[in-house]
Amino acid sequence: EPEVTQTPSHQVTQMGQEVILRCVPISNHLYFYWYRQILGQKVEFLVSFYNNEISEKSEIFDDQFSVERPDGSNFTLKIRSTKLEDSAMYFCASGQGVIQPQHFGDGTRLSIL
Amino acid sequence: AQTVTQSQPEMSVQEAETVTLSCTYDTSESDYYLFWYKQPPSRQMILVIRQEAYKQQNATENRFSVNFQKAAKSFSLKISDSQLGDAAMYFCAYRSAGQGGSEKLVFGKGTKLTVNP
Repeated sequence: EPEVTQTPSHQVTQMGQEVILRCVPISNHLYFYWYRQILGQKVEFLVSFYNNEISEKSEIFDDQFSVERPDGSNFTLKIRSTKLEDSAMYFCASGQGVIQPQHFGDGTRLSIL
Repeated sequence: AQTVTQSQPEMSVQEAETVTLSCTYDTSESDYYLFWYKQPPSRQMILVIRQEAYKQQNATENRFSVNFQKAAKSFSLKISDSQLGDAAMYFCAYRSAGQGGSEKLVFGKGTKLTVNP
């Protein structure tokens, strides 16, 4: 069964550095999402992306965050200047249609030192 | 804004027994979807079951079924004949379904289910 894949599984970065988290959504999906889960807290929505543009974003998704679909297969989340509070598990998800279920990747654990 | 509450941080069940995980939600919308996702340790979140709010019939998927009480805003998950592989974190989630509604999933904090042999 097709899966959403995320790399790396664990990323350690110094505070203030840029980080890019990568995702390969399921190939025939058109809607892409990023969520994050700070340790011990709920999974929170960050952003949704469709037709090469952001369709919705949360208040967490400020100017330090950006998303891109640089080619036909990858979907990336960039954090420009990381802060300690960005440490979390980041999940990528994709869906065939806006009302179709979202399928999640394994997540990338981001640790900011 | 919508909220989802899972009041049981942890639950345990004996293998082959039945367990029910609770979920309540708050919304002013009439059209929405509810989901249960399962996340085994160090693995991805997998969709277990989905319920459309406009359907009165409770969704079932093999050993998994829900008790959807729209008026009470309750959406519990029942796992029958529990297996060791059911051990995981279970998340309840909400999503709008109306035209132009939000696509985002709103999650509860999760319930960690342990299955004892």
